[in-house]
Amino acid sequence: GESVGLHLPTLSVQEGDNSIINCAYSNSASDYFIWYKQESGKGPQFIIDIRSNMDKRQGQRVTVLLNKTVKHLSLQIAATQPGDSAVYFCAENSGYSTLTFGKGTMLLVSP
Amino acid sequence: EAQVTQNPRYLITVTGKKLTVTCSQNMNHEYMSWYRQDPGLGLRQIYYSMNVEVTDKGDVPEGYKVSRKEKRNFPLILESPSPNQTSLYFCASSLSGQGRAEQFFGPGTRLTVL
Repeated sequence: GESVGLHLPTLSVQEGDNSIINCAYSNSASDYFIWYKQESGKGPQFIIDIRSNMDKRQGQRVTVLLNKTVKHLSLQIAATQPGDSAVYFCAENSGYSTLTFGKGTMLLVSP
Repeated sequence: EAQVTQNPRYLITVTGKKLTVTCSQNMNHEYMSWYRQDPGLGLRQIYYSMNVEVTDKGDVPEGYKVSRKEKRNFPLILESPSPNQTSLYFCASSLSGQGRAEQFFGPGTRLTVL
């Protein structure tokens, strides 16, 4: 079957580099954002979230930055590893119960 | 192990033959949701459920039905499948339906309708 990775923007990096994946969201009323990682053949997996009252949040090797002025979200991965190769989605919540997902970026990490 | 399970994982069927994809979670989550994932379109929500007996349409509900008779189960029903429903389907659940909570995804069901 056709891979969900087709038609996606792709970021190619070398192992050990830092990666930055960007996401533009659409709704200025969105107040909660999540980054998901989807490996081939698996469901999306939560990485990190951030609320709109924050500009930055750090996890283990990952940092999410939120710029509400330009409706932009980024995910920074430090010291990228081959196991980080996946499709990354941002999602925004602007209502009671619905997450709206971006189309995703494929990250390819070369050893 | 806390998880969301889906069955079947792969299904090939023919137009018009009713089918059900099951979804079950063991985390006592209130909120459950179905998505379809298509190349170039990302994840789109089909239906969601805030709790038992409470369901609502997502962005692409046409051609689908759901039910939530028990908290743990949220089956997706295609009464008369058509080829444009060929897709990768994911079930997800979260503790609360307020949207500001991590959604846990199942492994996916790849459906082909001939």
